[in-house]
Parts: sequence; structure tokens; C-alpha cells
Amino acid sequence: ETGVTQTPRHLVMGMTNKKSLKCEQHLGHNAMYWYKQSAKKPLELMFVYNFKEQTENNSVPSRFSPECPNSSHLFLHLHTLQPEDSALYLCASSQGHRGYEQYFGPGTRLTVT
Amino acid sequence: AQSVTQPDIHITVSEGASLELRCNYSYGATPYLFWYVQSPGQGLQLLLKYFSGDTLVQGIKGFEAEFKRSQSSFNLRKPSVHWSDAAEYFCAVDSRGAGNMLTFGGGTRLMVKP
Repeated sequence: ETGVTQTPRHLVMGMTNKKSLKCEQHLGHNAMYWYKQSAKKPLELMFVYNFKEQTENNSVPSRFSPECPNSSHLFLHLHTLQPEDSALYLCASSQGHRGYEQYFGPGTRLTVT
Repeated sequence: AQSVTQPDIHITVSEGASLELRCNYSYGATPYLFWYVQSPGQGLQLLLKYFSGDTLVQGIKGFEAEFKRSQSSFNLRKPSVHWSDAAEYFCAVDSRGAGNMLTFGGGTRLMVKP
């Protein structure tokens, strides 16, 4: 595997379910990010991790819970989501957290029913 | 707060024609500037970036962009569009503040006519 991978690519879940999204980067980067991409809205930064430490939580509801066990892996735990949470969730990584371009994974298409 | 505006939501060009996608940002200092492309069902791929120096930057796939400080713009250009360029294009700005915080524009969807 190369670059940034995300699993699953598609996920359908009910509002009472608990699920997790996984992201893995194979680039030796130190910073990782979660973004939400909804139809007709700009990409929204959700969380930033730098050297496994969360450095940014962009006012994300607590039903989204990130976890970064090491610099290569990032999870997004989901519980009691709402239909408006349906979106494409993108993971990205960068070498550092200042002035470096971000590399994106293919995303997980989430549908909340 | 910084903002990024891509005025054109949709653009259609004929294959072989030239292309310019507009991007304007609102920020006091010169930020880092990026253009990304997203094909359907895919993540974002970096086309090019501007950090400093020459204001005309070259990217992949034959794209270039020009930073104009006086106009707070970073427009993307390509002299001859190929059908495979059909995708959504995003301009992004990093304020150079603490943390690598990218602010994205709303995107421009490019369609290419044969």
C-alpha cells in the first residue's frame, strides 16, 4: 500500500449504530487530519493530530470521536449520528503541521439512515 | 477569519481550449496557496503550491497558477484542456499561523466538451 488509505470506502449505518473509520498513511508523515465533505459545502476540517497529539478540534459534535494511536494511524469513531452527518469523510496527512502540503486518502462515503 | 472564494461553481470548456479557474482569498498576509483536484469518488490530489519566490508556479498535468498579491488571487490555468481534466478543482489557503490549517474554497466543477 502506498500513500493514504481509508477503510471502509462506503458505510451505511443507522442512527443508533456505532462504527469506526480507519485511515493509514504510508508516507512517514507526522500530522494527520479528518475532513468532512458535504454536497454543496466547502471541505470542513474536523480534527488535526500532530505527533499523535490532537492540536485542533474544529467545534465538532461529540458524536464524532477521533483516535490517533500512532503517527501512521487515525480513527474516527462514530455513534448516534444524524442523517445530516452523511458525507464523504476524508483523511489527510502531511510531513509537518506548518507549511507542508497535505496528502489525501480516497475517503469514506458515509450514509446515515 | 480567512476565506477563499472560487466564483465559478461550474465551467465547461471544449477539449483543446484554454482554461482559467479563479481563486481569491481574504487574508492580511501572504498565505501558502494550493490547488487540488478531485476526480469522482477519489480524494484530493495536489496540483501545485505557492510558498514564496516566483509568482508563476508550475504544477503537474500541465497546470500553472499565478499569485497576484495586489488582487489577492491565485488563478489556475492550462493552455490546452484534455478530456481527462474533467474533475472538481479546489483552491486552498494556509494562513501560516500555528498549525497547518487549510481553508478550502467551494470548488469549481470542470466539464470538458469533446
